Amino acid sequence: EVQLVESGGGLVQPGGSLRLSCAASGFTFSSYAMHWVRQAPGKGLEYVSAISSNGGSTYYANSVKGRFTISRDNSKNTLYLQMGSLRAEDMAVYYCASLFYGYWGQGTLVTVSS
Amino acid sequence: QSALTQPASVSGSPGQSITISCTGTSSDVGSYNLVSWYQQHPGKAPKLMIYEGSKRPSGVSNRFSGFKSGNTASLTISGLQAEDEADYYCCSYAGSSSWVFGGGTKLTVL
Repeated sequence: EVQLVESGGGLVQPGGSLRLSCAASGFTFSSYAMHWVRQAPGKGLEYVSAISSNGGSTYYANSVKGRFTISRDNSKNTLYLQMGSLRAEDMAVYYCASLFYGYWGQGTLVTVSS
Repeated sequence: QSALTQPASVSGSPGQSITISCTGTSSDVGSYNLVSWYQQHPGKAPKLMIYEGSKRPSGVSNRFSGFKSGNTASLTISGLQAEDEADYYCCSYAGSSSWVFGGGTKLTVL
């Protein structure tokens, strides 16, 4: 059974940093491109970032470019999102996903507030 | 990348059929056979209902069907049931590792 389990969310002050993790199991993680998608409270889904299967290629939405860094450790079957210079508008549930195959985690909530 | 266009809401009575449209451009929906549809109940993660435009994952009811023509994709739910009440999102690959979502459609079962 495919499982994606996010962790690392929480309360952070504006301007602060946070690192999200996503532990994958039940599929060959190292063969899949992976993605982060977020959903602000009461809003729709927003595509945030992507990383190729070997980590050699990354993509960022304009809204997070220069502030967020996506990475992966295929030896640990884990995806990461390093978030910096956080703003109120970054507050959302962050989902780890493999959009080509429709695998999603349950999400982790990031709250940005002073 | 602009969001795909979906109606904000649709409604139908139990047993009826409804269709949700998803309009993109020649750079996303029109260029790739990689349109997916997700169902999301409140407080839950999105669930894949349709992938590659018209394919159903194992375990998804055959009451759900997808179609794509040109820059527009659509999701049809037949034989509406109370449990189908949820938010629905379309999603398309847009090239260069980017994906784009629709704004979401709230389905109400009357």
